[in-house]
Amino acid sequence: ETGVTQSPTHLIKTRGQQVTLRCSSQSGHNTVSWYQQALGQGPQFIFQYYREEENGRGNFPPRFSGLQFPNYSSELNVNALELDDSALYLCASSPSGDRASETQYFGPGTRLLVL
Amino acid sequence: GNSVTQMEGPVTLSEEAFLTINCTYTATGYPSLFWYVQYPGEGLQLLLKATKADDKGSNKGFEATYRKETTSFHLEKGSVQVSDSAVYFCALSDRDNQGGKLIFGQGTELSVKP
Repeated sequence: ETGVTQSPTHLIKTRGQQVTLRCSSQSGHNTVSWYQQALGQGPQFIFQYYREEENGRGNFPPRFSGLQFPNYSSELNVNALELDDSALYLCASSPSGDRASETQYFGPGTRLLVL
Repeated sequence: GNSVTQMEGPVTLSEEAFLTINCTYTATGYPSLFWYVQYPGEGLQLLLKATKADDKGSNKGFEATYRKETTSFHLEKGSVQVSDSAVYFCALSDRDNQGGKLIFGQGTELSVKP
């Protein structure tokens, strides 16, 4: 069974640029959530996708957007990058997305540095 | 709003010492509670969870009991090893039927010395 994978592992961008991060969910999972983890902090929920529809959003501006594809993989897009966007971006998948008790399985993350 | 508060780190212990990391939460309804662990340079791994009051989650010698009366979910281990050095995150999830977004505490760094 393949776990959650993310690409790229590291990325360096400059202020104002756009970035796309990718996530492949664990086999059999149809729900993907994205989190931002600033250095020394706990992860913050960005949004969740369930069967290709956004299914909840945290307190992030509209320049953070996402997609989920029919194979349940997902992208996180960030436009007009700011220095504070520098963080570890974590993707997590879960089997069905309809239970708060479900475990979310995390990928290794993409570390984004904005200069 | 819902929130999770963890004891501040870093926590430094000698090998075989007893570990407690405190976690308290604020939530409406009946959340599920989780402990995740993050090793250096890696993503988060589920350590244990509990989904209702008085449940005890356990894994790899770690335990935590869901205490509704004190809104707590403290992590304990009887004898820590150097390999337990990591950052530990307490989290809650409370949204049935809309997916469970996880709300995390700020993390507690544990360092175990030989």
